[in-house]
Amino acid sequence: QVQLQESGPGLVKPSQTLSLTCTVSGGSISSGGYYWSWIRQHPGKGLEWIGYIYYSGSTYYNPSLKSRVTISVDTSKNQFSLKLSSVTAADTAVYYCAREELGAARHLGYWGQGTLVTVSS
Amino acid sequence: DIQMTQSPSSLSASVGDRVTITCQASQDISNYLNWYQQKPGKAPKLLIYDASNLETGVPSRFSGSGSGTDFTFTISSLQPEDIATYYCQQYDNLALTFGGGTKVEIK
Repeated sequence: QVQLQESGPGLVKPSQTLSLTCTVSGGSISSGGYYWSWIRQHPGKGLEWIGYIYYSGSTYYNPSLKSRVTISVDTSKNQFSLKLSSVTAADTAVYYCAREELGAARHLGYWGQGTLVTVSS
Repeated sequence: DIQMTQSPSSLSASVGDRVTITCQASQDISNYLNWYQQKPGKAPKLLIYDASNLETGVPSRFSGSGSGTDFTFTISSLQPEDIATYYCQQYDNLALTFGGGTKVEIK
């Protein structure tokens, strides 16, 4: 059973960089066939896709966040990470990592439990 | 960007009622449409993929239909455990987009 777990600071100061890591267990990131994604949810609001990475390092980002987002992968640790720069209070949200199955049908089949990141001084 | 318009934003229904949620895409997305259920404090859970395919283990009272720009999600007989917010999500292009969500409550 694949499991994903987010980790990182729960509080980030404005203008700083938010950094989160997703650790994958029960499956290898290097196996291919999946995009490894980040999604966020502002308090009481809907879901916003941030971007994804393939095990090879190829990435694709939400155009609205592209200038501030970097997603990277460390296959040796079976982890992938999110960096969001120049954060403001508007970046306060629950951040989820997820695995998107590729192939004929694409869907986010496995999710982490989510981690709340608050941007505040 | 492909926009997903979901309606209603909330609904209240009785146990046993048939519940229908719609999702409209801003352009043709074929059947590249998934439905998720999110309970309070939990991560979303995949229910339906490719517009009409039931994910393994999901009760058969959940169903989906549609193609192109108009899609429907149905709960045939609402149960207390179905209280949640439901989201549609498209993957027609490289970017993913979610609908705004529909909060389902028991009357």
